[in-house]
Amino acid sequence: QVQLVQSGAEVKKPGASVRVSCKASGYTFNNYAMHWVRQAPGQGLEWMGWINADNGDTKYSQNFQGRVTITRDTSASTTYMELSSLKSDDTAVYYCARVGATTIGIYFFDYWGQGALVTVSS
Amino acid sequence: DIQMTQSPSSLSASVGDRVTITCRASQSISSYLNWYQQKPGKAPKFLIYAASSLQSGVPSRFSGSGFGTDFTLTISSLQPEDFATYYCQQSYSTPWTFGQGTKVEIK
Repeated sequence: QVQLVQSGAEVKKPGASVRVSCKASGYTFNNYAMHWVRQAPGQGLEWMGWINADNGDTKYSQNFQGRVTITRDTSASTTYMELSSLKSDDTAVYYCARVGATTIGIYFFDYWGQGALVTVSS
Repeated sequence: DIQMTQSPSSLSASVGDRVTITCRASQSISSYLNWYQQKPGKAPKFLIYAASSLQSGVPSRFSGSGFGTDFTLTISSLQPEDFATYYCQQSYSTPWTFGQGTKVEIK
């Protein structure tokens, strides 16, 4: 069965960076894109960006102004999301989500990681 | 960016009630609309894709409809396990955006 297992909770100081990992199993890693979505406490879902697991191409939300980097290690079936220059309002649960698609190219998040809480506090 | 607006933001309903949640896009998104359910402390769960197609394993009491800018999620007979927050999401263009969520609470 498809599983996405993320790394654990992190506490960081303002200005630091954090890297969250997402290990995939139960499917051919290279065949599916991986996206990252975050959720601040009590708030909605915010899309951050995605990576083509096959060729490594990425696209990011402008909301993160160059602070986010998504990479992958195909040998480990793992995707990484690094967020730099952390601020207190980056405190959130960060999710990885696999993308599935219909035959006509409608995309959706079919599997999600369990989430990783990142707390930014001085 | 495409803005997704859900209504209502919250609702109270009883077990057995029919519940309808609306999602409106700021521009036409064809059928590029998905729905998710989220319970407290858990990751979202995928329910419906392409506006009206039920994901495998999702109970048939859930249904979706709509095209263009206006979409609806309907729960035909609310069950205790359905009390949660529901989000619509468009995948027509990046950035992929979500509605703000609709919290379904017990009356």
